Amino acid sequence: GAGVSQSPSNKVTEKGKDVELRCDPISGHTALYWYRQSLGQGLEFLIYFQGNSAPDKSGLPSDRFSAERTGGSVSTLTIQRTQQEDSAVYLCASSSPDSSGNTIYFGEGSWLTVV
Amino acid sequence: GDSVTQMEGPVTLSEEAFLTINCTYTATGYPSLFWYVQYPGEGLQLLLKATKADDKGSNKGFEATYRKETTSFHLEKGSVQVSDSAVYFCALRSPGGKLIFGQGTELSVKP
Repeated sequence: GAGVSQSPSNKVTEKGKDVELRCDPISGHTALYWYRQSLGQGLEFLIYFQGNSAPDKSGLPSDRFSAERTGGSVSTLTIQRTQQEDSAVYLCASSSPDSSGNTIYFGEGSWLTVV
Repeated sequence: GDSVTQMEGPVTLSEEAFLTINCTYTATGYPSLFWYVQYPGEGLQLLLKATKADDKGSNKGFEATYRKETTSFHLEKGSVQVSDSAVYFCALRSPGGKLIFGQGTELSVKP
């Protein structure tokens, strides 16, 4: 597609439920990132996929969070047993084959509200 | 580990004022440096970037120079407009690594 696509754009869920957030990166981009942006806060790194390498999961805040990337393209971020503090915008980004100078493009984000 | 530190906001300026948003970084290698902007209600957009020391990134009247000796990448604009009101994020990416952001600086420009 033309840009990074995320779905759903908005999700309201009850505390304790599981949620899945989807990201379709730009075609051909091998690097994919997930970030979290809480209200009035900066961007918190969650996880980074680069090609066939093992993902960098160092930013995942707890074992309730997991992510996978199938076929080197689409990625799903799963949050189990959601808590109110999980409410945030979850941003996905992608970039072309690895070079530190390559532009990283962001999606519009998935707004998650846990009630 | 690698990190980015930005000046805290909010920054409030009058239209046509000069803007500087400070950004310093810590990195073990030779990262690329970026400024991203988030306008109200919109997603993150790349504003400018520099990939090696002494490079100057520029876009929409904004400039930033990659200063290795001071590990800085300060954002400047000579004359801000109301439409520049946004949150600005400084970021770095080391080769093979993830994009690391500063905390963001909110800019508000008054007519």
